Amino acid sequence: DIQMTQSPSSVSASVGDRVSITCRASEGVSNYLAWYQQKPGKAPQLLIYLASTLKSGVPSRISGSGSGTEFTLTISSLQPEDFATYYCQQAYSFPFTFGPGTKVDVK
Amino acid sequence: VQLVETGGGLIQPGGSLRLSCAASGFSVGGNYMNWVRQAPGRGLDWVSTIYGDGSSFYSDSVKGRFAVSRDDSKNTLFLEMNSLRVEDTAIYYCAGGSSWSHFDNWGQGTPVTVSS
Repeated sequence: DIQMTQSPSSVSASVGDRVSITCRASEGVSNYLAWYQQKPGKAPQLLIYLASTLKSGVPSRISGSGSGTEFTLTISSLQPEDFATYYCQQAYSFPFTFGPGTKVDVK
Repeated sequence: VQLVETGGGLIQPGGSLRLSCAASGFSVGGNYMNWVRQAPGRGLDWVSTIYGDGSSFYSDSVKGRFAVSRDDSKNTLFLEMNSLRVEDTAIYYCAGGSSWSHFDNWGQGTPVTVSS
């Protein structure tokens, strides 16, 4: 199984800050990597797929990059609605696996 | 697009439960459909995927105990869960989309608690 790790596990930030989250796969997943945002008590929402393609309607301050084993989610200027937990997910092979999550909270 | 899960509840270990995911504005049979769960205070855990051609895939932790299916006439996805264990306690989400590589649309989830 492909193991996914994320760093940091949590980050405290302020509105306007630039935040980057790293996701690493235990083996190459090409660009079959998606990012989700989840707020407390809510279902996850897709942000980015195929490593760097922004889902329609997702603000352009959010971006994704990477390929192979290392990926990055970047929020260029954090907004109040961005405080949430973020998960990466590989779809290169079954079983699909998620990273453990990165919580972005208020500094 | 709306996905609505039902069927969760409290069940004793060893019991069975059937979850449903009714779709509107979205074709269950024409898309890739998945079940993802989240144990209390934990991260996301992929459970199962079913393709349009009926091919299905399972995580090792549920293989042989859970079965995914769908009724295209009712535009509904199902998850039959047998031999339930305490560690199956979670919110179960259905999710799906036009691509197998990511989960575009999610339901609100239905909670399953396995406890004696």
